[in-house]
Amino acid sequence: KQEVTQIPAALSVPEGENLVLNCSFTDSAIYNLQWFRQDPGKGLTSLLLIQSSQREQTSGRLNASLDKSSGRSTLYIAASQPGDSATYLCAVNSGAGSYQLTFGKGTKLSVIP
Amino acid sequence: EAGVTQSPTHLIKTRGQQATLRCSPISGHTSVYWYQQALGLGLQFLLWYDEGEERNRGNFPPRFSGRQFPNYSSELNVNALELEDSALYLCASSLGSLPVGAKNIQYFGAGTRLSVL
Repeated sequence: KQEVTQIPAALSVPEGENLVLNCSFTDSAIYNLQWFRQDPGKGLTSLLLIQSSQREQTSGRLNASLDKSSGRSTLYIAASQPGDSATYLCAVNSGAGSYQLTFGKGTKLSVIP
Repeated sequence: EAGVTQSPTHLIKTRGQQATLRCSPISGHTSVYWYQQALGLGLQFLLWYDEGEERNRGNFPPRFSGRQFPNYSSELNVNALELEDSALYLCASSLGSLPVGAKNIQYFGAGTRLSVL
């Protein structure tokens, strides 16, 4: 059974800092991994999707890496802004004909002005 | 283009009642997924529908059920509500079954917050 762990559970940084969020998964046989953002009381916004054959994806100030063999992914946020404050969720698609996602519990990020 | 829409936004029920939650996918998407986000438990997969059929379900009791209509919208029904069913229920949609390895990005709605008193 796939399990996804995110560390730390919460993180507080001053504005302008670069930061890294971590995600690990127990079964390396995945099809892809997604990073989402969730604002309080809201749904999820997909940030980046990395296919199992890829090692990283970039979108603006965000860079996600994937090391499938070690079961790890990182989300790097450059030059953090107060608007980046949210909960960041990592989810893996283990495939096998099914597309549901297995989520971590998230990292709650606070960027202090 | 409209995103995934869910209704109602909030739903308050008492123990033992039934709740019905609704989801309209993005136009062109044939797959709908339901997830439960209970406090402290994280997002848990509930159900996946594609082309009107249930394709997979998570580790939830049978009182959680649903269906997908010909227009690909979906309903989630929760019977005999229990206090621990209180949660944010999220619906997501995506393109239908794709070849292995193809991108299958799921787009999420804002959710229905169900409170069971």
